[in-house]
Amino acid sequence: AQSVTQLDSQVPVFEEAPVELRCNYSSSVSVYLFWYVQYPNQGLQLLLKYLSGSTLVKGINGFEAEFNKSQTSFHLRKPSVHISDTAEYFCAVSDRWNNFNKFYFGSGTKLNVKP
Amino acid sequence: GAGVSQSPSNKVTEKGKDVELRCDPISGHTALYWYRQSLGQGLEFLIYFQGNSAPDKSGLPSDRFSAERTGGSVSTLTIQRTQQEDSAVYLCASSLTSGGHNEQFFGPGTRLTVL
Repeated sequence: AQSVTQLDSQVPVFEEAPVELRCNYSSSVSVYLFWYVQYPNQGLQLLLKYLSGSTLVKGINGFEAEFNKSQTSFHLRKPSVHISDTAEYFCAVSDRWNNFNKFYFGSGTKLNVKP
Repeated sequence: GAGVSQSPSNKVTEKGKDVELRCDPISGHTALYWYRQSLGQGLEFLIYFQGNSAPDKSGLPSDRFSAERTGGSVSTLTIQRTQQEDSAVYLCASSLTSGGHNEQFFGPGTRLTVL
């Protein structure tokens, strides 16, 4: 089974500053990687995903993430954040288990963008 | 088109009572997932359906929890004899198929409070 670690439970940052949200997982064998965002009082929505190919993945709202197989990481980055990026971000990993791809989620990182 | 819907959005119940939570997936999605999100925790996988069958019930925390899916569409999660530790947000997600490369689309969740 996989485990997903998001080391930072909360990340405060000023508007227009860059941000990196870290995600590490336990095994790199046949994984798919996802970042989801949860705005206050809303459901989760997909930011971006890595299935194969280029290790740099671009998503919605200017976010991008880089798959690093040797470090088993999939950190999320944005060069300049906005107030509207304030939300909770979840990293998820999917691997082949029991004939379906089970999603394993991290505990989430709350991004608080300050003016 | 319509996304994943869940009802009720909020449920307050007394310890020992039974509750039913409902999920309407996106039309045409064959895979359906239930998760539990407790305060400060990541998403905890509960159960997965492919069509009407549940190949993986490994995440159900106890035999008080059960789920069914009829007609390959609507699913209900039932918690019998609720306990205070059952208080959480219960999230439903659906995907086109169970392949791990498929994005899971999440509903807004049902917030359950057990007094």
